[in-house]
Amino acid sequence: KNQVEQSPQSLIILEGKNCTLQCNYTVSPFSNLRWYKQDTGRGPVSLTIMTFSENTKSNGRYTATLDADTKQSSLHITASQLSDSASYICVVSGNNNDMRFGAGTRLTVKP
Amino acid sequence: DTGVSQDPRHKITKRGQNVTFRCDPISEHNRLYWYRQTLGQGPEFLTYFQNEAQLEKSRLLSDRFSAERPKGSFSTLEIQRTEQGDSAMYLCASRPGIERGHTDTQYFGPGTRLTVL
Repeated sequence: KNQVEQSPQSLIILEGKNCTLQCNYTVSPFSNLRWYKQDTGRGPVSLTIMTFSENTKSNGRYTATLDADTKQSSLHITASQLSDSASYICVVSGNNNDMRFGAGTRLTVKP
Repeated sequence: DTGVSQDPRHKITKRGQNVTFRCDPISEHNRLYWYRQTLGQGPEFLTYFQNEAQLEKSRLLSDRFSAERPKGSFSTLEIQRTEQGDSAMYLCASRPGIERGHTDTQYFGPGTRLTVL
């Protein structure tokens, strides 16, 4: 069973709308959690990183939250743009820096 | 461009042929990783190097796969006797070593898309 589960698997929204992607993990012990954006045919690019003591981190229109108690994270995208269409991957690292990747959420923003 | 580069970007081969991919990491990044990614899935770890030493290999890395980083700079991933199940995106990533006090952000290359016919 994957230690990092993401939902939904895919999502379609209209340009300008907001959306929230979810990540639940069981990785323990926990070191940090990252959200990556992966455009089609490209490698993932890091958006945010949060450690145990951080519960929110913003990067422009992207805001990530972390609840280390419930082992949940979310990525909120505000005022979506067509260029936000991509896969968003949640990656959780343990203390030995072993990175566990979620399967990703495929976001499509339509005009 | 000072990012991670991979070559080729696309490779189509027939089953049974050997293929080799190259990754050039960001300069002075002493850690280099190889991942495999199939459609609709996240990357799966294959192996990683610290300098020229291969420190960890996933059980996904069968004996048909071999990776090298002879001078601690670029790396190659070779797949022998390719099978249709090897069709995937092969991603390379690099990062500075922990000993320099950097975060463990991995910087990914654009990937090599392999199609085995």
